Amino acid sequence: AQSVAQPEDQVNVAEGNPLTVKCTYSVSGNPYLFWYVQYPNRGLQFLLKYITGDNLVKGSYGFEAEFNKSQTSFHLKKPSALVSDSALYFCAVGNTGKLIFGQGTTLQVKP
Amino acid sequence: GAGVSQTPSNKVTEKGKYVELRCDPISGHTALYWYRQSLGQGPEFLIYFQGTGAADDSGLPNDRFFAVRPEGSVSTLKIQRTERGDSAVYLCASSPTGLAGGRETQYFGPGTRLLVL
Repeated sequence: AQSVAQPEDQVNVAEGNPLTVKCTYSVSGNPYLFWYVQYPNRGLQFLLKYITGDNLVKGSYGFEAEFNKSQTSFHLKKPSALVSDSALYFCAVGNTGKLIFGQGTTLQVKP
Repeated sequence: GAGVSQTPSNKVTEKGKYVELRCDPISGHTALYWYRQSLGQGPEFLIYFQGTGAADDSGLPNDRFFAVRPEGSVSTLKIQRTERGDSAVYLCASSPTGLAGGRETQYFGPGTRLLVL
C-alpha cells in the first residue's frame, strides 16, 4: 500500500533561518510526490511536485524539495523563512488518480 | 471560473438529516475529486470522477455517501442520515484529465465545513 509519513507535528524556526519540513514515502513503482500548504480556513494550495528528472524541485513562494530515492524522502525546504510561511504543510503521493496525504506539519515562523 | 468553488462554505445540520455539498471545478477540467478532512488530519480520498462517471469510489465510507456529476462539470456530494462522525471539512479538487496515473496536479477548492449536531 502507498503511504506518506510526516514525522513532525510542528516545526519552529526563526524568521530568516532555513527551514525543512520532512516527508517520507512508501510506494510501489514510480513515486509521484506533492507538497501542499493550507492556511487557516482555506483550501489546499499546490506548492510543487516531483514526477521524474532532477531530484531538486523548485516551486512557489521560494520553496523547493529534494527527492531522495535511497532514503525514500521528499523534504520541503526554504533557504530563508518568512513569518507569512506559517501554515500547515501536507506531503502527498499520487496513486492512480487519487492523492494520499500525510498527517500534516504545522510550520511556525517566529519574528 | 478562475478556481474550484464549493458551496456552501459552512453547513450545520442535525443528526439524521440529509445534506448536499456542491463543487464547481475549474472550467475544462475533466477530473473531479472529493476528499474529507477531519480535525488535525490530512485529507482522505472519497471518490473521483472522469467526466460523468466515477472512476474510483473506494474511499466512500459507507452507503450513506453518494456523489454525482451528471453533466461532467458540477458535482454534488450527498450524505444521507448524517451522523456526528460525519462532521469534517469536505474538499473538492479538479485536474485537467485525471488520466496521468497520479501525476497531475490537483487544484483544491476552499472546502465545505460540515457540522452535524
